[in-house]
Amino acid sequence: DIVMTQSPFSLAVSEGEMVTINCKSSQSLLSSGNQKNYLAWYQQKPGQSPKLLIYYASTRQSGVPDRFIGSGSGTDFTLTISDVQAEDLADYYCLQHYSYPYTFGAGTKLELK
Amino acid sequence: EVQLVESGGGLVKPGSSLKLSCVASGFTFSSYGMHWIRQAPKKGLEWIALIYYDSSNKYYADSVKGRFTISRDNSKNTLYLEMNSLRSEDTAMYYCAKFWGGYWGQGVMVTVSS
Repeated sequence: DIVMTQSPFSLAVSEGEMVTINCKSSQSLLSSGNQKNYLAWYQQKPGQSPKLLIYYASTRQSGVPDRFIGSGSGTDFTLTISDVQAEDLADYYCLQHYSYPYTFGAGTKLELK
Repeated sequence: EVQLVESGGGLVKPGSSLKLSCVASGFTFSSYGMHWIRQAPKKGLEWIALIYYDSSNKYYADSVKGRFTISRDNSKNTLYLEMNSLRSEDTAMYYCAKFWGGYWGQGVMVTVSS
């Protein structure tokens, strides 16, 4: 099984700051067939279902603000949130969907400083 | 508008069974693979099962393999999760999801306790 190591566990930020969340996979998520990385990022607010932010490591889902940026390839991935807003306070998860069983990172809690 | 509505959760005793349903609307259900994901209270997300659009392939997390069965009825636009030999560690919110497009249901709570 592919293990997703996500860091940090939690992050305290002020509005307007930039934050970086990391996810490292135990195997490459890059498909040699289509050169796509099978890595997605989700945001989950309290009491809500997860919301897809980024897929294929760097493609922003429709309607997601451009302050959310996904990057990385192979085994190392990053979600960057520039100019953090109060509405961005949530839990964030990476998900590998390269091979079965799919696996999530442990999550990162973004809190207000 | 895509909608996924789960039902069938509740409080059950260890060792018992339960069957969850997820009714889909707003898209061609029979064309997409569907997933179940769960989240234990105050814990992270755990992917647990996938079924292909035509039921030709099914995949499970190790934690549920042999106890849970994913199935679907494309004529009813409904996804199922049959859960047997339930354990306390199966206590969680269960979500159905269509990963393409990022659609998730609101979740249904399953509590396994004596």
